[in-house]
Amino acid sequence: QKEVEQDPGPLSVPEGAIVSLNCTYSNSAFQYFMWYRQYSRKGPELLMYTYSSGNKEDGRFTAQVDKSSKYISLFIRDSQPSDSATYLCAMGDSSGGYNKLIFGAGTRLAVHP
Amino acid sequence: NAGVTQTPKFRILKIGQSMTLQCTQDMNHNYMYWYRQDPGMGLKLIYYSVGAGITDKGEVPNGYNVSRSTTEDFPLRLELAAPSQTSVYFCASSYATSGNRADTQYFGPGTRLTVL
Repeated sequence: QKEVEQDPGPLSVPEGAIVSLNCTYSNSAFQYFMWYRQYSRKGPELLMYTYSSGNKEDGRFTAQVDKSSKYISLFIRDSQPSDSATYLCAMGDSSGGYNKLIFGAGTRLAVHP
Repeated sequence: NAGVTQTPKFRILKIGQSMTLQCTQDMNHNYMYWYRQDPGMGLKLIYYSVGAGITDKGEVPNGYNVSRSTTEDFPLRLELAAPSQTSVYFCASSYATSGNRADTQYFGPGTRLTVL
């Protein structure tokens, strides 16, 4: 079993739709949860960073963490064509001593006008 | 402020050749990382460094070597290239104040390597 599971998609939605992206994980030591966005042929860039269970909102983006279910989500409201990218979840804990992150495989999202 | 830069952008190697992928960051970050990204597989850590002169293996180090003589530079060396090393390579850096949290990693644009 992989430490982090993420459906690779692709996910295709119309402009304006609400998008839900999800990851599950098996390591209960994970405390830090991130979402990176990666445009085609570019490096990943941090989108959201959360610590502990609960919700965090930033504009049209909401990151949700449910530690009891080992499940994290990223919601995108009013999706735009510019949101078309691959979204990678990433998780870390404090035991590695070197800022170790485990990445999901990434979900490819396409938002069509 | 350029962030993390990588050269070259693309490279085709023949089996058995060697090359060095360059990575430089200008953010004075202490931690640096090399990842490879294969289709549908996410990012796998190859090597990392917590400061100049200190490096250690990640999840998939075989076939690679690194060095870190300065804070800014973290080159990745491929010796005896094999088709299994065909991938996209990303360098990243972060400023970690301690080992007790996962700090934001900033990524370079990547190097696309094909080994034929």
